[in-house]
Amino acid sequence: AQSVAQPEDQVNVAEGNPLTVKCTYSVSGNPYLFWYVQYPNRGLQFLLKYITGDNLVKGSYGFEAEFNKSQTSFHLKKPSALVSDSALYFCAVRDGGDYGQNFVFGPGTRLSVLP
Amino acid sequence: DAMVIQNPRYQVTQFGKPVTLSCSQTLNHNVMYWYQQKSSQAPKLLFHYYDKDFNNEADTPDNFQSRRPNTSFCFLDIRSPGLGDAAMYLCATSGTGTGVSPLHFGNGTRLTVT
Repeated sequence: AQSVAQPEDQVNVAEGNPLTVKCTYSVSGNPYLFWYVQYPNRGLQFLLKYITGDNLVKGSYGFEAEFNKSQTSFHLKKPSALVSDSALYFCAVRDGGDYGQNFVFGPGTRLSVLP
Repeated sequence: DAMVIQNPRYQVTQFGKPVTLSCSQTLNHNVMYWYQQKSSQAPKLLFHYYDKDFNNEADTPDNFQSRRPNTSFCFLDIRSPGLGDAAMYLCATSGTGTGVSPLHFGNGTRLTVT
């Protein structure tokens, strides 16, 4: 069975500093990996995905993620954090099934960017 | 813009009083999902429709039902809400064409049970 771990419940970073939100996964076969962001009282918003190809994936709002197969990790990064990036971040994995019925979400990491 | 729309955004119901939440989509996706999310936890899949085929998760209580009258609309019915059903309910869609489609979420309905 596939699973996702986000080892940090909370990440605090100063505005302008680089940020990293960690994610590790376990899946049989090739993983499809996703990052979502959730602002208060809103749905989950898709940021980026890794399917195949380059290990560095670029997404929305200046976010990027680095896929590392040997470490089974897919960490979310941004070179310079903004206060408006403060939100709840979810990593997700699905196996190579026909569609998204096998999405598994991590527990979430709350990012606080301090002015 | 193509999107997933949930109504209402906030719903208050009484203990035991049936309630229906609605979701519509303009993405023309053939898969629609209902998730329950409590207290900023990970969303929990309740069930999904692949076209008209209903797929229930094994641990979804019988109290939760769903209807999909057409491609665009999907409803979540809670027959007898309990206090433990207070949560954010999220509708999502995904496509099944070429490529790997992410889930596209609506903004959710926050349900309060009094």
